[in-house]
Amino acid sequence: DSGVTQTPKHLITATGQRVTLRCSPRSGDLSVYWYQQSLDQGLQFLIQYYNGEERAKGNILERFSAQQFPDLHSELNLSSLELGDSALYFCASSASGVNGYTFGSGTRLTVV
Amino acid sequence: GQNIDQPTEMTATEGAIVQINCTYQTSGFNGLFWYQQHAGEAPTFLSYNVLDGLEEKGRFSSFLSRSKGYSYLLLKELQMKDSASYLCAVREYRDDKIIFGKGTRLHILP
Repeated sequence: DSGVTQTPKHLITATGQRVTLRCSPRSGDLSVYWYQQSLDQGLQFLIQYYNGEERAKGNILERFSAQQFPDLHSELNLSSLELGDSALYFCASSASGVNGYTFGSGTRLTVV
Repeated sequence: GQNIDQPTEMTATEGAIVQINCTYQTSGFNGLFWYQQHAGEAPTFLSYNVLDGLEEKGRFSSFLSRSKGYSYLLLKELQMKDSASYLCAVREYRDDKIIFGKGTRLHILP
């Protein structure tokens, strides 16, 4: 157990639907990062939050949004889902960043 | 922006040594990471280099040359469980985000 909790582990939904992925960072970590990993693709950085505020943005689609709450958990909202959104979505957290990130076990999203 | 290159696949034999190279271009370098990822699982942290030189950690070592934009991960005494993808990742100075390369899939043969 890495200490980063992601729910749900698996999600199957239809095109056009909206889903919410949840992440609880390790205790004490203020930063949360979201990554998308499609088949045969590397980890694509989506967005970063630090202590409730958006800090950096990657190639995140307009259909996707995220937020970090006062208790530091984060949610990634994916709407108007397309088949191409099927992927593993990882959340990671860090304290100072010196030791890199600690990743959660991911949410596997399948859009049918 | 950033660009990270590493070989797509490599094959090595159990008990041998393998070196996985990574080259990168970044506008403000602030550290290089290596992660291991087994299929369908979360990446796990292996090493971190911010200064030039070699960092050794058990069977794994990582080297960095900032002037050349180059790093390698050296794996010794290969074991079957080392079959995985190895991800090179670079952090930029201006923020905390880490950008990953596409990874090198390492196959270990008995």
